[in-house]
Amino acid sequence: NAGVTQTPKFRILKIGQSMTLQCAQDMNHNYMYWYRQDPGMGLKLIYYSVGAGITDKGEVPNGYNVSRSTTEDFPLRLELAAPSQTSVYFCASSFTGEGEKLFFGSGTQLSVL
Amino acid sequence: GQNIDQPTEMTATEGAIVQINCTYQTSGFNGLFWYQQHAGEAPTFLSYNVLDGLEEKGRFSSFLSRSKGYSYLLLKELQMKDSASYLCATMDSNYQLIWGAGTKLIIKP
Repeated sequence: NAGVTQTPKFRILKIGQSMTLQCAQDMNHNYMYWYRQDPGMGLKLIYYSVGAGITDKGEVPNGYNVSRSTTEDFPLRLELAAPSQTSVYFCASSFTGEGEKLFFGSGTQLSVL
Repeated sequence: GQNIDQPTEMTATEGAIVQINCTYQTSGFNGLFWYQQHAGEAPTFLSYNVLDGLEEKGRFSSFLSRSKGYSYLLLKELQMKDSASYLCATMDSNYQLIWGAGTKLIIKP
């Protein structure tokens, strides 16, 4: 099993550009999450999904969009990138959302200049 | 509001014991997690406590007191590879994780 695969590892965007961060898991997990991690701050939830076709906003959803067309894939779309979106992004998954540990992807370091 | 507090940084000596504290205030409580995160890497799961008391797992132990809104992670026989950030996270009544900013642990020889 590969676990949670996240691409790309690094990316530099210009202000106003768009991109998609890819996330896939092969553990048949129902729950998937996108977090961002900024220096000196805790992980912040951007969006999450409890199953294919179902997504919901987290704490900091503005400027992002997601889709969940299959159980395996949960891409994160950045539209009109802004410097405030410079961060490290982590995708994570769990089988259920209740008291279960998260499995994280390796992260994407994104810089918007 | 919801809040988690943990020290920003701690230093300890190889072979020693260190305790990392975490205090929390959340809307409802469905457990507390500890994760380890090495620099430039993803967090990895260490422990989960939902009932009061001490859970021991090898060199690492985690304690929870729900009445005090308090947890600690105890690391024994410290090794250089234990240098990392340790993240405390609580699960609220909606099963959402609230994360602390993490404690950077520096191990000196």
